[in-house]
Amino acid sequence: AQKITQTQPGMFVQEKEAVTLDCTYDTSDPSYGLFWYKQPSSGEMIFLIYQGSYDQQNATEGRYSLNFQKARKSANLVISASQLGDSAMYFCAMREGIGGTGGFKTIFGAGTRLFVKA
Amino acid sequence: GAGVSQTPSNKVTEKGKYVELRCDPISGHTALYWYRQSLGQGPEFLIYFQGTGAADDSGLPNDRFFAVRPEGSVSTLKIQRTERGDSAVYLCASSPRGTAAYNEQFFGPGTRLTVL
Repeated sequence: AQKITQTQPGMFVQEKEAVTLDCTYDTSDPSYGLFWYKQPSSGEMIFLIYQGSYDQQNATEGRYSLNFQKARKSANLVISASQLGDSAMYFCAMREGIGGTGGFKTIFGAGTRLFVKA
Repeated sequence: GAGVSQTPSNKVTEKGKYVELRCDPISGHTALYWYRQSLGQGPEFLIYFQGTGAADDSGLPNDRFFAVRPEGSVSTLKIQRTERGDSAVYLCASSPRGTAAYNEQFFGPGTRLTVL
């Protein structure tokens, strides 16, 4: 069963506007972590933001924020004030068993390609 | 400081051959991960090392794949009898702690493997 679903294969956003990249996940483990990574055309994977399942507040890192809706199993990434350099692939990922005896297997979604228009 | 390095950056081989892919993690990072990324897909977990031991190898697709990390630093992913379906980018990542509530994984640039 697909554990991470990113339904938007491609997204366009105008420079300086905000954009939301969708991610839904599936797990029965109460303790898990959600991650977003950016992969530019150069191929490197860049960590952006993390949300733990027990975190009370939505995570924020600069222009990135994670809209965490636990009951809906949703962890959307919001990028504010888009820049041309934000054009890249974005991957949502999950790790179960965070902080406990679980493993460290991180499962990635298929990704969303973001295009920022000037 | 130096990031995660992977060699070679590109590897072209023929079907049936044996290949070794090397990962040099960030100094001091105890956790090391291997992933495989096929074209248009997200990375797929292969194996996780904590120190010298493989703590989770559940992602290795079959017994043609094997990875080692004998001294707890450099790791080698070994693929025997390569098949065309093994063609992908193989990513390595390391992190400073293996048992924290979460840890950021630092990725290398990857090795692009092409099996002809």
